Amino acid sequence: QKEVEQDPGPLSVPEGAIVSLNCTYSNSAFQYFMWYRQYSRKGPELLMYTYSSGNKEDGRFTAQVDKSSKYISLFIRDSQPSDSATYLCAMKSGAGSYQLTFGKGTKLSVIP
Amino acid sequence: GAVVSQHPSRVICKSGTSVKIECRSLDFQATTMFWYRQFPKKSLMLMATSNEGSKATYEQGVEKDKFLINHASLTLSTLTVTSAHPEDSSFYICSAGGPGAGVSEQFFGPGTRLTVL
Repeated sequence: QKEVEQDPGPLSVPEGAIVSLNCTYSNSAFQYFMWYRQYSRKGPELLMYTYSSGNKEDGRFTAQVDKSSKYISLFIRDSQPSDSATYLCAMKSGAGSYQLTFGKGTKLSVIP
Repeated sequence: GAVVSQHPSRVICKSGTSVKIECRSLDFQATTMFWYRQFPKKSLMLMATSNEGSKATYEQGVEKDKFLINHASLTLSTLTVTSAHPEDSSFYICSAGGPGAGVSEQFFGPGTRLTVL
């Protein structure tokens, strides 16, 4: 079993839809959870950064972490064509550590 | 967020030549830099971790003699692909972290697409 599982998609939704992206993980030591957005032929950019279980909201984006289920989610409300990208989840165990474990990424297309 | 640049953004070379890719942190001191490789429709694969002034730590299966990494200053790391072959064609991405960039966050460069003919 891989440490982080993420459905690669592709996922196609109409503009304005609510998008749900998910990752599961097996390492209970992971404490810090991140979502990155990567446009085609570009490097990933950090979208959300959360610690332990709970929710975090930033504009149209909401990140949820359920450590008991080892499951994290990213919700995008009122999705826009500009949200079309690959979304990667990433996680790490220690606050002082830079080492990240990435999911495969989910390719999202928002259709106008 | 902190800014990381990469140069060149794209390079095409002949088989057998060496290619150097630069990664720079523009507005913070990068004590740690990472080099990743990404194949189409695949996730980021960590190749190596480098700390300024130290030898890089390579991930299992990555040939250190083929992928030379130098992190000589707090703002610059280089990856040299020696004697490149077509199977080395990939998207190479660096990331950097350090004081001033936020607590233990990695900031990614825009990537370099290498094509070996």
